[in-house]
Amino acid sequence: QVQLVQSGAEVKKPGASVKVSCKASGYTFTDHYIHWVRQAPGQGLEWMGVISPSGGGTSYAQKLQVRLTMTRDTSTSTVFMELNSLRSEDTAVYYCTRDGRAMGVFDYWGQGTLVTVSS
Amino acid sequence: DIQMTQSPSSLSASVGDRVTITCRASQTISSYLNWYQQKPGKVPKLLIYAASTLQSGVPSRFSGSGSGTDFTLTISSLQPEDFATYYCQQSHITPSTFGQGTRLEIK
Repeated sequence: QVQLVQSGAEVKKPGASVKVSCKASGYTFTDHYIHWVRQAPGQGLEWMGVISPSGGGTSYAQKLQVRLTMTRDTSTSTVFMELNSLRSEDTAVYYCTRDGRAMGVFDYWGQGTLVTVSS
Repeated sequence: DIQMTQSPSSLSASVGDRVTITCRASQTISSYLNWYQQKPGKVPKLLIYAASTLQSGVPSRFSGSGSGTDFTLTISSLQPEDFATYYCQQSHITPSTFGQGTRLEIK
C-alpha cells in the first residue's frame, strides 16, 4: 500500500533552518510528483511547492522561494523539504503529499510534521 | 494567484440532511477543482477530483459539480462521520490554491 512517512516534530529558534523528510513506499517513486502543503494552527491549507522525483525539478510558491529548497534521494525514495530563516509564522504542520494524476490531485498524504518556531 | 472562496465558512446540519458547499474561483479553472475532507487532528483526505470524479473508496453520498469558476460539493444524506472541515483546491494554475475551508458541525 502507498505510504508517505515523514520525520518527527521539530522545535527551532527564529532564524534557524529545518529539514523534513518524506519517505515513500508502495509505488514507483519516480512516477509521481511530491508536493508540500502546510497548515498553521487553526488555519487552512497552503501549498508550498512541488518536486519531480524523477528529474529533481522543482517549483515553489513565490512567497517562500528564497527560503525553500526541495530535494530528493531516489536511492531511498525520500523527498526532503528545507526551510531557512525560520520565523514564528512558519509554525505549522507540514505535509508531503503525492500527486496521483499529474494534475495537482493529492491522493496520499504523509502523517504531517509539526514545526514549532519559538525563541 | 487564483483565489478560491468557499461558502459558507461554517454550517450546522443534522444527520440525514442534504448539504451543499460552494467554491468560487477568481478566474476560470476549467474542471481542475478538487475537494478534501479534514477531521480535527487528522490528515486531509481526497474526496473528489476534476470537479466531479469520486475518489476510490469515497461513499457515493458525496458528489461534486461545476466548471469554470463555480463549483459545489454535495453530501446527499449526512452521516455522523461527515462532520469535518471541507476544502476546495484548484490545480489548474501554479501555485495551487485552497479555499479557506467550510466547517460542518452537528446541529
